[in-house]
Amino acid sequence: DQQVKQNSPSLSVQEGRISILNCDYTNSMFDYFLWYKKYPAEGPTFLISISSIKDKNEDGRFTVFLNKSAKHLSLHIVPSQPGDSAVYFCAASFYNQGGKLIFGQGTELSVKP
Amino acid sequence: DAGVIQSPRHEVTEMGQEVTLRCKPISGHNSLFWYRQTMMRGLELLIYFNNNVPIDDSGMPEDRFSAKMPNASFSTLKIQPSEPRDSAVYFCASGENYGYTFGSGTRLTVV
Repeated sequence: DQQVKQNSPSLSVQEGRISILNCDYTNSMFDYFLWYKKYPAEGPTFLISISSIKDKNEDGRFTVFLNKSAKHLSLHIVPSQPGDSAVYFCAASFYNQGGKLIFGQGTELSVKP
Repeated sequence: DAGVIQSPRHEVTEMGQEVTLRCKPISGHNSLFWYRQTMMRGLELLIYFNNNVPIDDSGMPEDRFSAKMPNASFSTLKIQPSEPRDSAVYFCASGENYGYTFGSGTRLTVV
């Protein structure tokens, strides 16, 4: 069973516009959420995270929103740039499981000039 | 800091052969993870170690898969015998407190 789901396998956005990537989870005990970015032939790299005690975290052009009641989080990229084109993975974790991350399937973002 | 080093980068093997993937984590990191990436399931956690001790291997698909971490600077993931459905990219990651660093992965193709 997939505890973390990214239902959109791909997303295409125009340069300068907003990119919104979505993620749903099923286990309400998750207490930490992260987004990773992956370029082809490279490993995923950490992008931004949010604790379950918050509903928003911002870092430059990247903002993550958490809606615990809906078990949903989203990553907003504003403005989108061609260099943002990559696969984005959402991940969730339980504090008492030593940092084990459970990932979604990924969403491939394409930002067109 | 050379990051997490995985070898080989690519491996092509015949069905039934033994495959060994290797990982050198970043020095000082207490946790090490093995993940497998497929189109259908994304990044699946296979096993993770804390201070060289296996903590959770519930993601290991079956007995054909085994992982070891004999010391803090080396880990292996072995598949014996390999099957075509094992074809995927295998990632090793190390870190602490969620700030995990991934290696570049090993692309395994079993024909």
